[in-house]
Amino acid sequence: AAGVIQSPRHLIKEKRETATLKCYPIPRHDTVYWYQQGPGQDPQFLISFYEKMQSDKGSIPDRFSAQQFSDYHSELNMSSLELGDSALYFCASSLSGRTLEQFFGPGTRLTVL
Amino acid sequence: QKEVEQNSGPLSVPEGAIASLNCTYSDRGSQSFFWYRQYSGKSPELIMFIYSNGDKEDGRFTAQLNKASQYVSLLIRDSQPSDSATYLCASLPGSGGSNYKLTFGKGTLLTVNP
Repeated sequence: AAGVIQSPRHLIKEKRETATLKCYPIPRHDTVYWYQQGPGQDPQFLISFYEKMQSDKGSIPDRFSAQQFSDYHSELNMSSLELGDSALYFCASSLSGRTLEQFFGPGTRLTVL
Repeated sequence: QKEVEQNSGPLSVPEGAIASLNCTYSDRGSQSFFWYRQYSGKSPELIMFIYSNGDKEDGRFTAQLNKASQYVSLLIRDSQPSDSATYLCASLPGSGGSNYKLTFGKGTLLTVNP
């Protein structure tokens, strides 16, 4: 079965640079969620989108923005990167009406030097 | 206090034994609860979800929910070394603006010894 696809899988950036993470949900899934997981931490919800509209917002810094496109893929844009942004970034998707089940992608490991 | 609390472990059990993982939550409005398994450096993998009081069984896994006690548990029968991972308990609120964000506990590290 098709799963959530994230790209790139690994990303190394310098401080103050920008990064763009991409997420392609499971086919027919219309809701996308972004989570950040720091070393030894639990995943923290950042933001979610349903039908291309932001549906919920968590602890996402103002330096980050995200959107969902007409084909339901989503991009997380991160600017003025800081050392503390180094983490695993997961995208999850679900099908509206079945929002109980969120399926996670493999994640993007971002390292900020 | 975190909304979802778990004993960080590590919990060590011998192969073939029953592993019992526990979780408590503080938001009485939470309606749905999830158990995810996460291997080191990998993404969380959904094992089970439960939203009704009582037990829910799926193969070797049984989830239990007690809303009065605000307690969720996961039992793994016939534990295998491949079950060794961090188990994350998560909740979804029942109403309000944050209907869709999962709130995770810090996870319990389970080690199954051959």
